[in-house]
Amino acid sequence: NAGVMQNPRHLVRRRGQEARLRCSPMKGHSHVYWYRQLPEEGLKFMVYLQKENIIDESGMPKERFSAEFPKEGPSILRIQQVVRGDSAAYFCASSPRVDRPSQETQYFGPGTRLLVL
Amino acid sequence: RKEVEQDPGPFNVPEGATVAFNCTYSNSASQSFFWYRQDCRKEPKLLMSVYSSGNEDGRFTAQLNRASQYISLLIRDSKLSDSATYLCVVRRSNFGNEKLTFGTGTRLTIIP
Repeated sequence: NAGVMQNPRHLVRRRGQEARLRCSPMKGHSHVYWYRQLPEEGLKFMVYLQKENIIDESGMPKERFSAEFPKEGPSILRIQQVVRGDSAAYFCASSPRVDRPSQETQYFGPGTRLLVL
Repeated sequence: RKEVEQDPGPFNVPEGATVAFNCTYSNSASQSFFWYRQDCRKEPKLLMSVYSSGNEDGRFTAQLNRASQYISLLIRDSKLSDSATYLCVVRRSNFGNEKLTFGTGTRLTIIP
């Protein structure tokens, strides 16, 4: 009963490099969410995707950040030209498709801790 | 003003005591409410959903006051394993597929 999987768990990058974070949702879940948690802060929503579609990217920084969830394979959060302020824990969550009101919620992966030197 | 506000604590409570956390939310259109817990350097895990009529799960009781836009969590007979950060979480809709809005969390330490 695999939960949400993320890799790598830890990622170190130098300023200006690219970071790629991967997320495989829980089995049976078709919706993926990315959140960022800066040190000593709460989780902040970044983006919500379904297969091949971005549904809500209202929390994504306008530059350098992009996300995808292809038909095959994991969801990818990509950060180009990383800066020190990108250092954070990036959590992916997934949920099943829900067509009616419900208390169904999201289940989180273990996170990727990005450190930018 | 933050969408979800919590007292950051820390709360240092002796084992066996009862502790209560409060949370307020600013968007009156919010429909779904949850408490998650987050252990140090781990992912958030769902503790319980919060229903309008209030609900209980073992030693944990959650209450919702829509008129005051206020959510509470009560932990009775606290255990050492309850030490964690408790996150108040709000969702605008009743449907599962929408972003969650998190408070910054309340840190709880249970003292032996």
